[in-house]
Amino acid sequence: DAGVIQSPRHEVTEMGQEVTLRCKPISGHNSLFWYRQTMMRGLELLIYFNNNVPIDDSGMPEDRFSAKMPNASFSTLKIQPSEPRDSAVYFCASSSLTDTQYFGPGTRLTVL
Amino acid sequence: DQQVKQNSPSLSVQEGRISILNCDYTNSMFDYFLWYKKYPAEGPTFLISISSIKDKNEDGRFTVFLNKSAKHLSLHIVPSQPGDSAVYFCAASVSGSEKLVFGKGTKLTVNP
Repeated sequence: DAGVIQSPRHEVTEMGQEVTLRCKPISGHNSLFWYRQTMMRGLELLIYFNNNVPIDDSGMPEDRFSAKMPNASFSTLKIQPSEPRDSAVYFCASSSLTDTQYFGPGTRLTVL
Repeated sequence: DQQVKQNSPSLSVQEGRISILNCDYTNSMFDYFLWYKKYPAEGPTFLISISSIKDKNEDGRFTVFLNKSAKHLSLHIVPSQPGDSAVYFCAASVSGSEKLVFGKGTKLTVNP
């Protein structure tokens, strides 16, 4: 079975550019989570969706970050404009109601 | 304000010996705890969990202990194997919430 799919795996961009990260959750999972991992803050939850509806976005750092889930099989995390301090590994995870979260391989973002 | 703390950034043990990874939490509402394991360039994968109604859960070489009064849990790996070398994340949640709060992780190195 395919796990959580994230693209791109690596992204290098310049400050001020728009960045879009993509995620395809495991089929049948109804919850989707976006995390960011940094050395300073560890693994922190940015936002999560249940049945395509955003439930908790309290971890989104600022208005430059936005996330959408237009359907059950796709989600995006957008940063506009990007800044060097956004450099991190971004993970997407999905789960069904009674299951643990399954993580994708992550997208390593570098903002120059 | 870190609600879940892993105070040891790294741990090194010899193959065949016991590895003990520790985790402390501050939020007394947490009642479900998990350990995830992460290899380089991969997403975290679920390892073992424990509910607050228990004080121990065992799965093969992995045992998690929970001390609610001390707000402390630990993961024991016996015997440790080189393939166990990874970063281990402790996570906690509140019943009814899908939100996980992670610690910063402990990098375990098992030397042959």
